[in-house]
Amino acid sequence: AQTVTQSQPEMSVQEAETVTLSCTYDTSESDYYLFWYKQPPSRQMILVIRQEAYKQQNATENRFSVNFQKAAKSFSLKISDSQLGDAAMYFCAYSLYGGSQGNLIFGKGTKLSVKP
Amino acid sequence: KAGVTQTPRYLIKTRGQQVTLSCSPISGHRSVSWYQQTPGQGLQFLFEYFSETQRNKGNFPGRFSGRQFSNSRSEMNVSTLELGDSALYLCASSLADSGRGETQYFGPGTRLLVL
Repeated sequence: AQTVTQSQPEMSVQEAETVTLSCTYDTSESDYYLFWYKQPPSRQMILVIRQEAYKQQNATENRFSVNFQKAAKSFSLKISDSQLGDAAMYFCAYSLYGGSQGNLIFGKGTKLSVKP
Repeated sequence: KAGVTQTPRYLIKTRGQQVTLSCSPISGHRSVSWYQQTPGQGLQFLFEYFSETQRNKGNFPGRFSGRQFSNSRSEMNVSTLELGDSALYLCASSLADSGRGETQYFGPGTRLLVL
């Protein structure tokens, strides 16, 4: 069975600094998708970034980028120039390519605090 | 486009009762998935519906059920509520047209409290 592990329950970063959130996963599949979702306090979960496993190039979205290491089954999120609005729970998630599309497997989350 | 909407947003029930939660997906999205979020267990997949058919199901008891209508709106039902069913129930929709892993867009959730 696939699993997703986020080893950092809480992280803190100074405003304007860079922070990296870690995620590892376990799967025997070769085609899959990985996601980072952000859930601000009492607010809606939103997609931050996604990565297709067949793509070697790391995904980037503005200040957010990932370091995808397929062999190591590692998928970390880097947030550059951190802003107060980045404070939230961040969830790493895995989805199998094709087939069971509705089945996102989530990690336990990392709570990110941003200090002014 | 309007996002995923869920009703009601908050609900208080007592043990033994049943509850129905509703989800309206983004216009054009045909897949609706449901997740339960609790502090202890985190986010867990309940089930997914696509074109009115349950396509995938998580590891939850039969008290949890769902359905999808022809307009892609979905409902989930929990019967014989238990205290442990207290959670945030999230609905997510996706296009699910390409056969590839589609991005899921989440609603604000329904917070259920069972007393």
